[in-house]
Amino acid sequence: NAGVTQTPKFQVLKTGQSMTLQCAQDMNHNSMYWYRQDPGMGLRLIYYSASEGTTDKGEVPNGYNVSRLNKREFSLRLESAAPSQTSVYFCASSDRRLAGGLRRETQYFGPGTRLLVL
Amino acid sequence: SQQGEEDPQALSIQEGENATMNCSYKTSINNLQWYRQNSGRGLVHLILIRSNEREKHSGRLRVTLDTSKKSSSLLITASRAADTASYFCATAANSGYSTLTFGKGTMLLVSP
Repeated sequence: NAGVTQTPKFQVLKTGQSMTLQCAQDMNHNSMYWYRQDPGMGLRLIYYSASEGTTDKGEVPNGYNVSRLNKREFSLRLESAAPSQTSVYFCASSDRRLAGGLRRETQYFGPGTRLLVL
Repeated sequence: SQQGEEDPQALSIQEGENATMNCSYKTSINNLQWYRQNSGRGLVHLILIRSNEREKHSGRLRVTLDTSKKSSSLLITASRAADTASYFCATAANSGYSTLTFGKGTMLLVSP
């Protein structure tokens, strides 16, 4: 199993350009997430998809859109990139299992996409 | 807003020593998780502790949870150079479907 894969690994954009970050998981997980990581800020949730067919905003959704294409794939789109979107983007997935009535929400992360917006 | 806050921000120790990192959070949780991130890589899950648990062990890792103080600690015993990484706590809220909220992390440097 490859786990969570992300493409591309690196990208340089000019302000105003658009791009789509791709994410796929082969663990049959229901939930998928997009985070950004900035120095000194930890991880901040952009959007998530609790299950196929649903998407919800996270902490920092402005300037982004997402598509849950199918159970495996969850893409993040920047319609008009801005320098403030320079960051490392991580995709993650999880399977919310119920064990004794308690939730388990371990997340599995991809390797990240490093994006520079000039 | 960040739920978990790790302390210290950075920690430097020698191989063989123990490393302790702390996490504080603000609201009621269902579980708290610790993750490790090696430089330039994605996060890797280390351990999950539920709100009704007080201590959990996994290999050289020991996690404690004090819900009355809204705090958790991660102890790595007999540290190795390979433990050099950033460590993050993440909390899952106690209502409905909740996402994880990550802290800013502790950078651990273990010198040979």
